[in-house]
Amino acid sequence: AQSVSQHNHHVILSEAASLELGCNYSYGGTVNLFWYVQYPGQHLQLLLKYFSGDPLVKGIKGFEAEFIKSKFSFNLRKPSVQWSDTAEYFCAVTSPGANNLFFGTGTRLTVIP
Amino acid sequence: DTAVSQTPKYLVTQMGNDKSIKCEQNLGHDTMYWYKQDSKKFLKIMFSYNNKELIINETVPNRFSPKSPDKAHLNLHINSLELGDSAVYFCASSQDQLAGGPGDTQYFGPGTRLTVL
Repeated sequence: AQSVSQHNHHVILSEAASLELGCNYSYGGTVNLFWYVQYPGQHLQLLLKYFSGDPLVKGIKGFEAEFIKSKFSFNLRKPSVQWSDTAEYFCAVTSPGANNLFFGTGTRLTVIP
Repeated sequence: DTAVSQTPKYLVTQMGNDKSIKCEQNLGHDTMYWYKQDSKKFLKIMFSYNNKELIINETVPNRFSPKSPDKAHLNLHINSLELGDSAVYFCASSQDQLAGGPGDTQYFGPGTRLTVL
């Protein structure tokens, strides 16, 4: 069974700092990878996704993530965070043709103005 | 237009009651899901359903039952509510999957915060 680990539970940054959130998954086959964001009191929104091709994917709001197959990782990055990026970030994985998304436990990001 | 909608947004009820949460999607998707998000924000799949198959997570108590009147709706019915059922429940939808095909994106509803007293 697939599982996803997000080792950073809570990250606190000042505005303009660079961000990198870790995500590792355990599954030996082909995977599809996602990052979702949940702003306070809101629903999950898709930030970006990786299915195949260029392992560096760009998403909305200046976020990007890099798929490193040898490390089973899909870390999320943003060069300069803003106060409005304060939210909970979830990494998720599924295998092609499967329906179920497996989520990590989430990383809470707090950006201090 | 809201792609995936849920009602109610908040639901407060007593232990032992039976309640339903409704979900509708207007994306024309074939597959719908229910997730439970606990107090620690952990999201776990409860069900996935399309017109062919209902897949139940075996850890979900049989007090929970999904009901789909049509392809655009997947309601969640909960019998004999317990304190531990308090959580935020998210509905989601995606295009149907083809075996061996690429995965697709799940779109989430706004969530229903259930509080059992």
